[in-house]
Amino acid sequence: GQQVMQIPQYQHVQEGEDFTTYCNSSTTLSNIQWYKQRPGGHPVFLIQLVKSGEVKKQKRLTFQFGEAKKNSSLHITATQTTDVGTYFCAGRGAGNNRKLIWGLGTSLAVNP
Amino acid sequence: NAGVTQTPKFQVLKTGQSMTLQCAQDMNHNSMYWYRQDPGMGLRLIYYSASEGTTDKGEVPNGYNVSRLNKREFSLRLESAAPSQTSVYFCASSESRQGFRAGGYTFGSGTRLTVV
Repeated sequence: GQQVMQIPQYQHVQEGEDFTTYCNSSTTLSNIQWYKQRPGGHPVFLIQLVKSGEVKKQKRLTFQFGEAKKNSSLHITATQTTDVGTYFCAGRGAGNNRKLIWGLGTSLAVNP
Repeated sequence: NAGVTQTPKFQVLKTGQSMTLQCAQDMNHNSMYWYRQDPGMGLRLIYYSASEGTTDKGEVPNGYNVSRLNKREFSLRLESAAPSQTSVYFCASSESRQGFRAGGYTFGSGTRLTVV
């Protein structure tokens, strides 16, 4: 069945370093969503990417959707301690398969 | 705007007990969802309701039942709790389940359930 793989599973950085998490789907996606979950909290929607090759920015966060619509990335520039949490991607299938498939998340720890 | 409200926030049950988790949203969303989150397993869909009056099974429906009481409320019932149902449960809602109009999900703050 359709799978969405996220790498890395964990990332530990020094404050000020950059961070990237990658999301890869086994099938073509119609769109992809990114969420952030703080420790002990709930997932919070960050963004949805729809178009092939789309790039969107939110302050220090840059989101990309691959040309083939099978992969995506989230890049954080100059991490801060407030970036700590788990970042999930969730891909929606294309065609008749419209389910939202969640990655297992990348947990980010930031050393001050 | 409260968004998605879940109750209770914490619950301890004995094996075999039953309980209902409540969820309500005030965003006039059509679709609502129940997920469970376990360490290393990510978010797994239990049941969903694409619109008022409909409910469907997700990936892990066994041991659960749901009721879409009206457009605002979607409850999850555990008829006979088992230790394997110890988890964090999240309710979520979205404008629409399918299509490009289906934006992001808004999650409740979760119910931390322990079954002993």
